[in-house]
Amino acid sequence: EVQLLESGGGLVQPGGSRRLSCAASGFTFSSYYMTWVRQAPGKGLEWVSTITGSGTTTYYADSVKGRFTIARDSSKNTLFLHMSSLRAEDTAVYYCAKERSGYGYYDYWGQGTLVTVSS
Amino acid sequence: EVVLTQSPATLSLSPGERATLSCRASQSVSSYLVWYQQKPGQAPRLLIYDASNRATGIPARFSGSGSGTDFTLTISSLEPEDFAVYYCQQRSNWPRTFGQGTKVEIK
Repeated sequence: EVQLLESGGGLVQPGGSRRLSCAASGFTFSSYYMTWVRQAPGKGLEWVSTITGSGTTTYYADSVKGRFTIARDSSKNTLFLHMSSLRAEDTAVYYCAKERSGYGYYDYWGQGTLVTVSS
Repeated sequence: EVVLTQSPATLSLSPGERATLSCRASQSVSSYLVWYQQKPGQAPRLLIYDASNRATGIPARFSGSGSGTDFTLTISSLEPEDFAVYYCQQRSNWPRTFGQGTKVEIK
């Protein structure tokens, strides 16, 4: 059974940093693209970033480019999102999602972790 | 960036009725259009991929159609568990983009 479990959310001050993690199980982690999608409170879904199975190629939304870094550790079956220079508009539930590899859609999702950027 | 516009924003229907949701793309995405369902407090669930293919375990009352710029998600007869928010997403171009969602609520 595929499971994705995010952690690392919490309250962060504007300008601060945070690292989110997503522990994956139930599939061959290194074979699949992985993605972060976020959802601001009461709002819709926003794609944030994707990383290929090998980790050699990454993609970012313009809204986070230069501030967020996606990474993966296949030895630990874990996906990361390093977030820096955080802004109030980054407040959201962050979901990690397994991509049906190379196909650009997401067949399994974690339960999400809430990041709140506020002073 | 491909902008996806969903309509209507809210659909008020009764159980047993047919729901028709629309997603329009600002440029052609071929058939690379995906639909998700999201219930309050839950993660999205994959329903339809590549415009018309049901994901594993999705009931036959859900169907998708369309190509190019105009797409439709149809729920043939609403069950109580179908009242939720539905999002479309395109996988044709980077960045991946989602529509703003259609809420299907009980009338």
